[in-house]
Amino acid sequence: EIHLLESGGGLAQPGGSLRLSCAASGYTFSSYAMSWVRQAPGKGLEWVSGISGSGGSTYYADSVKGQFTISRDNSKNTLYLQMNSLRAEDTAVYYCAKEPNTGSYFDYWGQGTLVTVSS
Amino acid sequence: SYELIQPLSVSVALGQTARITCGGNNIGSKSVHWYQQKPGQAPVPVISRDTNRPSGIPERFSDSNSGNTATLTIRRAQAGDEADYYCQVWDSSTVVFGGGTKLTVL
Repeated sequence: EIHLLESGGGLAQPGGSLRLSCAASGYTFSSYAMSWVRQAPGKGLEWVSGISGSGGSTYYADSVKGQFTISRDNSKNTLYLQMNSLRAEDTAVYYCAKEPNTGSYFDYWGQGTLVTVSS
Repeated sequence: SYELIQPLSVSVALGQTARITCGGNNIGSKSVHWYQQKPGQAPVPVISRDTNRPSGIPERFSDSNSGNTATLTIRRAQAGDEADYYCQVWDSSTVVFGGGTKLTVL
């Protein structure tokens, strides 16, 4: 059974940094692209960033380009999101999600980790 | 950047048919995917152009896509279908979600 488990969320100061992790299990992690999707409180879904199975290709939403960095360690079956220069508007639940095919939909999602940016 | 427009809310009587639209420029040329999200839970795919209905999704859920509008149709709506629904496409190597539609089953 496929599982995705996010961690690393919490309270961060404006201008601070956090690194989110997503531990994957139940499938060949390196064979599939992954993404981070966030949801601000009471708001809709916003795609943040994606990465190919090999990690060689990365993609970002304009809203986080230059601020967030996506990466993966296929030896550890783990996806990461390094978030720098955090702002109040980055407050959201962050989900990791798996793609069955590159440029497709998201067939499995984690339960999310809450990031709160506040002083 | 590409935008997807969904109605904020749709209401449907129990047992009737609900239709949730997703508007976008020439969306008919794109693969549109749909997700259901219940309060406090992660989104769940209900329709994918790649697999139609993911495993476990009832045949009551179907979709159509033409011109500038994609539509998720839920037949014989049940109380358990009450949720937020999001459409999603890929555009220029980025993912775009619609703003979401709250489905209320009366």
